[in-house]
Amino acid sequence: GAVVSQHPSWVICKSGTSVKIECRSLDFQATTMFWYRQFPKQSLMLMATSNEGSKATYEQGVEKDKFLINHASLTLSTLTVTSAHPEDSSFYICSAGWAGAGLVDQPQHFGDGTRLSIL
Amino acid sequence: RKEVEQDPGPFNVPEGATVAFNCTYSNSASQSFFWYRQDCRKEPKLLMSVYSSGNEDGRFTAQLNRASQYISLLIRDSKLSDSATYLCVVNSNTGGFKTIFGAGTRLFVKA
Repeated sequence: GAVVSQHPSWVICKSGTSVKIECRSLDFQATTMFWYRQFPKQSLMLMATSNEGSKATYEQGVEKDKFLINHASLTLSTLTVTSAHPEDSSFYICSAGWAGAGLVDQPQHFGDGTRLSIL
Repeated sequence: RKEVEQDPGPFNVPEGATVAFNCTYSNSASQSFFWYRQDCRKEPKLLMSVYSSGNEDGRFTAQLNRASQYISLLIRDSKLSDSATYLCVVNSNTGGFKTIFGAGTRLFVKA
């Protein structure tokens, strides 16, 4: 099946640090990637939709200047959490859909997730 | 009302039991449906797609009822390794592509 790789899998850093998370589709081209956040015992919450070659679409309540998304190629999207604070500590997961099929008809394939802990 | 609703559980069942999860969705124009499982502190993994004709994969059977906007997952002969959170997921194109996740149903299978 489709493989999505996410890196790093775990980050611990001081408050005020900016953290970049990479999401790669390894065996298919992904025109669209999604970034989610999941707090403990809660459901995945979509943060933004990342489209290759254009600006990301952010969900209501998600600060685009704090969560910078870049999708410069069909296989890589990055999420940068700028000046991270303890309340940004969460599990961040990306997913991707295959460019060659109708996105609505296919399941999303998730990266391994990045556990971010801000001290 | 949430767009995708699931009973949060937890379901505590003995090994070998049959357990059924239900899910309802509010958007009648939803187009595709899936069950994922998520283990603690891990990413969701696709379990199976769900079709109106029903589909089976080993001990797992999924069913979609479009008229009732209802999705089910049946697990037969439960194993300890089935313990996880099961997510009902719905894709739609209403006003742009969206994937909506249910909050998940927690299952504990005990020896």
